[in-house]
Amino acid sequence: KQEVTQIPAALSVPEGENLVLNCSFTDSAIYNLQWFRQDPGKGLTSLLLIQSSQREQTSGRLNASLDKSSGRSTLYIAASQPGDSATYLCAVTGFQKLVFGTGTRLLVSP
Amino acid sequence: DGGITQSPKYLFRKEGQNVTLSCEQNLNHDAMYWYRQDPGQGLRLIYYSQIVNDFQKGDIAEGYSVSREKKESFPLTVTSAQKNPTAFYLCASQGANSPLHFGNGTRLTVT
Repeated sequence: KQEVTQIPAALSVPEGENLVLNCSFTDSAIYNLQWFRQDPGKGLTSLLLIQSSQREQTSGRLNASLDKSSGRSTLYIAASQPGDSATYLCAVTGFQKLVFGTGTRLLVSP
Repeated sequence: DGGITQSPKYLFRKEGQNVTLSCEQNLNHDAMYWYRQDPGQGLRLIYYSQIVNDFQKGDIAEGYSVSREKKESFPLTVTSAQKNPTAFYLCASQGANSPLHFGNGTRLTVT
C-alpha cells in the first residue's frame, strides 16, 4: 500500500528566504506526482504536475523535482513571500487513484 | 470559465439524517473523486469514478454512497451509517494526463 510522508509538518520562515519542502513515497510504481497548495477552509490548487518520466517542473518561483527510484520529491520555493503562507500537499498517482501526504504548513512572516 | 463547483459551502444536519453533497464540473473530465479531510490528517479517498455509470470504493467508503449518472455530476450521500460524518469534504476531477482540479469543499457538521 502506497504511503506518502511530508516533512516537516510545519515550517516558519522570514520573507525572502529560499525553502525546500520534502515528500517521500514508499511505492515507486507511480504515474505522476503533484504538488498542491491549500489555503484555510478552501479546496486544493494544483501547483505542479511531474510525470513519472520527468525529473523536474518549474513554474515561476516554484521548482519541483522527482526521484522515482528513491521515492522522493522536493518543492523548492525561491524568495518566499507572505502570500506563500498555506499548506502544501504532495500526491502520487498509482494505479487508478491518488494518495496524499499530510502536508506541510508554511508560514512566511514579513 | 471551466471549473468544479461544490455546494453548499456549509451544511448542518441532525444525527440520523442522510445528506447529499453536490459536485458539478464543466471541464469534460472523465474521472471524479470524493475526499474527506480531517484536522491533522491527509486527504482520504471515499469514492472515485473513472467513467459515467461506474464508480469504485476508496479507502473509507463505509457509510457513504455515490452515483455517476452524468459525466458532469458526482453527488455524495452521507448516510446515517457513517459513524463520524463531521468533516470537510472535497470533490475533484481529472482529465487524461492533467492535474487534479478541486472544488472549494463542503464543511459538514452533524450534531
